[in-house]
Amino acid sequence: RKEVEQDPGPFNVPEGATVAFNCTYSNSASQSFFWYRQDCRKEPKLLMSVYSSGNEDGRFTAQLNRASQYISLLIRDSKLSDSATYLCVVNLSGGYNKLIFGAGTRLAVHP
Amino acid sequence: SQTIHQWPATLVQPVGSPLSLECTVEGTSNPNLYWYRQAAGRGLQLLFYSVGIGQISSEVPQNLSASRPQDRQFILSSKKLLLSDSGFYLCAWAKGINEKLFFGSGTQLSVL
Repeated sequence: RKEVEQDPGPFNVPEGATVAFNCTYSNSASQSFFWYRQDCRKEPKLLMSVYSSGNEDGRFTAQLNRASQYISLLIRDSKLSDSATYLCVVNLSGGYNKLIFGAGTRLAVHP
Repeated sequence: SQTIHQWPATLVQPVGSPLSLECTVEGTSNPNLYWYRQAAGRGLQLLFYSVGIGQISSEVPQNLSASRPQDRQFILSSKKLLLSDSGFYLCAWAKGINEKLFFGSGTQLSVL
């Protein structure tokens, strides 16, 4: 089983749609969770951290389910500019900061 | 504010040639530093990380090496490049354990 797994997509949605991505992780001791956004041929950029109680940043909502070992990202009112690959990131517990990246879920928002 | 610089942006090298990619961080001290590689259409693979000067941990056996000669400088090297070394190389830094990563703009390496 991969340490971090994501549906590669692509998710093709119209503008204004709501779309949700899930990500599962294998290490039950993981403590830090993030969503990154990566545009084609660019570096990943932090979208948001994921907290145990769930958190929201504008149109984006992230949730963590420790019992089932998955995190989710919900995007409301999708914009054309949301088209990108979304990377799920989970740390491995231990004495260092080792973050493991999922392979990403591609989102394409069309007019 | 903190910034991370990585260069060059693109690089085309023949098989068997050496490699040196440099990354520097400004505006912070004693960062954790990382080198990742992303093959076309694939996820990020952690290559090396460093928690301090001269301290390098390697994640996968490979044709590459890393060095940290100064607190905010991280260098990725190879003596002889292979075709399989082609990819998008990303340097990143973090403040500490369980902290978020910030990436440089990446180097697209093509080995021909």
